[in-house]
Amino acid sequence: TQLLEQSPQFLSIQEGENLTVYCNSSSVFSSLQWYRQEPGEGPVLLVTVVTGGEVKKLKRLTFQFGDARKDSSLHITAAQPGDTGLYLCAGGGYNFNKFYFGSGTKLNVKP
Amino acid sequence: DVKVTQSSRYLVKRTGEKVFLECVQDMDHENMFWYRQDPGLGLRLIYFSYDVKMKEKGDIPEGYSVSREKKERFSLILESASTNQTSMYLCASSSGMAVYGYTFGSGTRLTVV
Repeated sequence: TQLLEQSPQFLSIQEGENLTVYCNSSSVFSSLQWYRQEPGEGPVLLVTVVTGGEVKKLKRLTFQFGDARKDSSLHITAAQPGDTGLYLCAGGGYNFNKFYFGSGTKLNVKP
Repeated sequence: DVKVTQSSRYLVKRTGEKVFLECVQDMDHENMFWYRQDPGLGLRLIYFSYDVKMKEKGDIPEGYSVSREKKERFSLILESASTNQTSMYLCASSSGMAVYGYTFGSGTRLTVV
């Protein structure tokens, strides 16, 4: 059983479309991170959110941390082929900086 | 550019062999981690270390051991490789501050035949 559930598992869209991926848990986290992983590489950190209700923007990417700190969403506006990859959320606390990862959303943006 | 370097990108080993996966970081981070990544299962924590010579079991430590003799190096050891250990292995390090997250290596894809 995954501590963090991500949905959808797979998403294939056309360039220019908008999309939202979700990360849900029954556990409360002190902070939540989003990573993107490209084929053959390790995950790369996109953002960390630490406050319930927090919204962070990174160019066309908008990240939100739920008020109860149990869930998060990632919204991409006008997706581009360069956004293709595996998006992973990770929730954790301050104890040794240990994070639990979701199984990921595999995004394919077609030109 | 800060880095986590894993010694091999691809490895093929035989069942029963002892396998060493090496990881080196140049960021002077206290914390280092070993994960395995399998389709549909995400990243699962095998072991982590928060200081030299210190180690803690993660969620799936069976069949693995680790060594951290120097701050910058964290090794994962498969004592007797089995086919169900075929996987992508990812090493990561962190400063201990959540806001900075993990820095991952590029991974080692291990196939046990």
